[in-house]
Amino acid sequence: EPEVTQTPSHQVTQMGQEVILRCVPISNHLYFYWYRQILGQKVEFLVSFYNNEISEKSEIFDDQFSVERPDGSNFTLKIRSTKLEDSAMYFCASSESERATQYFGPGTRLTVL
Amino acid sequence: GDSVTQMEGPVTLSEEAFLTINCTYTATGYPSLFWYVQYPGEGLQLLLKATKADDKGSNKGFEATYRKETTSFHLEKGSVQVSDSAVYFCALSEGGATNKLIFGTGTLLAVQP
Repeated sequence: EPEVTQTPSHQVTQMGQEVILRCVPISNHLYFYWYRQILGQKVEFLVSFYNNEISEKSEIFDDQFSVERPDGSNFTLKIRSTKLEDSAMYFCASSESERATQYFGPGTRLTVL
Repeated sequence: GDSVTQMEGPVTLSEEAFLTINCTYTATGYPSLFWYVQYPGEGLQLLLKATKADDKGSNKGFEATYRKETTSFHLEKGSVQVSDSAVYFCALSEGGATNKLIFGTGTLLAVQP
């Protein structure tokens, strides 16, 4: 069964460093998403992406964040200068169409020291 | 804004016990409602969904009914198994101009043999 994959499973970085979290969505899906979950808190929407542009973003998704689909398979989330409060589990998701079920990856745990 | 509240965990049950995990929501429109499950080390998987009032979603013995009058979508299962041990997330999607998911905090279910 097709699945969303994410790498790495765990990323440790120093405050102020740039990180790139990678996702491979399901191959025929057209809509892509990033969510995050700070430990003990709710899963929060960050951004949705369609047709090579951001279709919606939350207040969390400020200028430090960017997303890209650099080739036909990968979907990346970049944090330019990480802060301690960026430590969280980051989930990628994809869906076949706008209202279709979103399929999630296993997540990347980001730890900022 | 729209939000989801679900019961605190962890919930610990013996095998074959009856399960209820409460979920209530606040929404201005007519959202679609979801239950996602996360097994250890895996991504969020859609368990069931309901798109309008009085709809019942069901899957793998789990059920939830969309109750507009009580703004609830409680998850139930008549007889849990050890393999049901996981974190369960209630979520809504507002529809309209957005397809982002709004999640509750998740409820950890531990089923003991």
